[in-house]
Amino acid sequence: AQKVTQAQTEISVVEKEDVTLDCVYETRDTTYYLFWYKQPPSGELVFLIRRNSFDEQNEISGRYSWNFQKSTSSFNFTITASQVVDSAVYFCALSDLEGAAGNKLTFGGGTRVLVKP
Amino acid sequence: DTEVTQTPKHLVMGMTNKKSLKCEQHMGHRAMYWYKQKAKKPPELMFVYSYEKLSINESVPSRFSPECPNSSLLNLHLHALQPEDSALYLCASSRGGSFNQPQHFGDGTRLSIL
Repeated sequence: AQKVTQAQTEISVVEKEDVTLDCVYETRDTTYYLFWYKQPPSGELVFLIRRNSFDEQNEISGRYSWNFQKSTSSFNFTITASQVVDSAVYFCALSDLEGAAGNKLTFGGGTRVLVKP
Repeated sequence: DTEVTQTPKHLVMGMTNKKSLKCEQHMGHRAMYWYKQKAKKPPELMFVYSYEKLSINESVPSRFSPECPNSSLLNLHLHALQPEDSALYLCASSRGGSFNQPQHFGDGTRLSIL
C-alpha cells in the first residue's frame, strides 16, 4: 500500500532563512508521480510541482527547489530566503496505479511552515 | 485566483437540513473530485468523476450524494448530516483521470453542522 510520511509537523523560521521540508514515500509500483502542494490559510491547495519516478533530475524554480532521491524514497522541498507569504501547510502527495487506478492522491500529514518577520 | 470555483464559501446547517455544495471549472478538465478535510489533517478523497461518470466512491455515507450534471459542474448534496461532518470540503479537477495529472483545487466550503 502507498504511504507518504512528512515527519515534521511544524517548522518555524525567521524571514530570509532557508527551510527544508522532508517527504518519504512508500509504493510497490515502479511508475508513480510525486507532488507538492501548498495550502495557505485561505484553504485552497496550490499545486507546486510534479515529478515522475523516472526523472530524478532536481529542479529549481525561483526560491523553490526539490531534491528527488529514489534510492532513499525521498522527495524533499526547500524554500530559499523564506518570506512571510510562504507561511502555509505544505503537503507531499503520491499517485500510483494501485491507488484507485491512479485517481487517488495519497497525502502526507502536512508540514506547517510559519515564517516570522 | 483559483480556476476551480466553489460555492458557498461557508455553510452552517442543522442536522435535518438539505443543502448542496457547488463546484465549477472551465479548464476543460474531465475528472473532478470531492475531498473532505478536517483541521490539521490532509484531505481525504470522497468521490471521483471521470468523464461525468462516478468512478470512485471511497465508502462515503449516503447522506453525501454527488452529482455531475456536465463536465464543468460538480455538486455535493447534503442531507441529515452529523456534527462530525463539519469540515472543509474541497473540490478539485484534473485534465484526465490518469494518475500523472496534477489536481487543481478550489478554495473549499467550510461546513459547520449544528
